Amino acid sequence: QVQLQESGPGLVKPSETLSLTCTVSGGSISSYYWSWIRQPAGKGLEWIGRIYTSGSTNYNPSLKSRVTMSVDTSKNQFSLKLSSVTAADTAVYYCARDSRSTGSGKAFDIWGQGTMVTVSS
Amino acid sequence: DIQMTQSPSTLSASVGDRVTITCRASQSISSWLAWYQQKPGKAPKLLIYKASSLESGVPSRFSGSGSGTEFTLTISSLQPDDFATYYCQQYNSYLWTFGQGTKVEIK
Repeated sequence: QVQLQESGPGLVKPSETLSLTCTVSGGSISSYYWSWIRQPAGKGLEWIGRIYTSGSTNYNPSLKSRVTMSVDTSKNQFSLKLSSVTAADTAVYYCARDSRSTGSGKAFDIWGQGTMVTVSS
Repeated sequence: DIQMTQSPSTLSASVGDRVTITCRASQSISSWLAWYQQKPGKAPKLLIYKASSLESGVPSRFSGSGSGTEFTLTISSLQPDDFATYYCQQYNSYLWTFGQGTKVEIK
C-alpha cells in the first residue's frame, strides 16, 4: 500500500529556509495532488498547499509569499520550502495525498507520520 | 476563505454512548466535507469523505451526514479506541480549511 515519509532538518534558524521532502513508496506519485499540512503543538491543522505531478500548485494565501513546492517524479518525491521562518512556523509538518480530483472524491486519504520542525537559534 | 466551526470543542462521554459532533461551514460546500480522527503523536486518519462516505476499514459505528453548511459526525456506540480528537475539513474550494477540532474525553 502507498506510504508517505517526511524527511528534513528538525531545527531551522530564524530567517532561514525550512526544507522538507516527502517520499512516496508502494505506489506511483503520478496523477495525484500532494499536500503539505502543519500543526503547531496543541493546536489545529493548517493546509499549506499542494502540488500536482505536472508541477501545478495551489498555496494557502497566508503563506504564499514564502512557500515553494516542487515534485520529482523520477524519485517519487515532492518537496516543501518555506522561507524566512520565525518561531510561529514551529510545528509538526505532514505530507498527505490529496484525492479530491480523483474519481473517489476523497480528501487527504494517506498521510505521512509527520516531522517536527523547530525554529530556534 | 471558508471558515469551519466545530461544536463542541470538548465532549465528555462514556463507553457505549452515542456521540454527535457538528461542523458548520461559513458558506455552502455542497458535500465536500471530510472527517478525521487524530490520536496524540499520530497523523490524522480519514474516517468520512464526501460528507457521508465511510473510508475503507473504518468501523461502521462511524457515520456522517449533512450538506451545504451543516454536517454531523456520529459515533453510534463509543468504544475505548475512539477517545481522540476529531477534525472536519472542507475541500470544496481553495483553500482547504479545517475545523478547530473536537476532543472526545472519557467521562
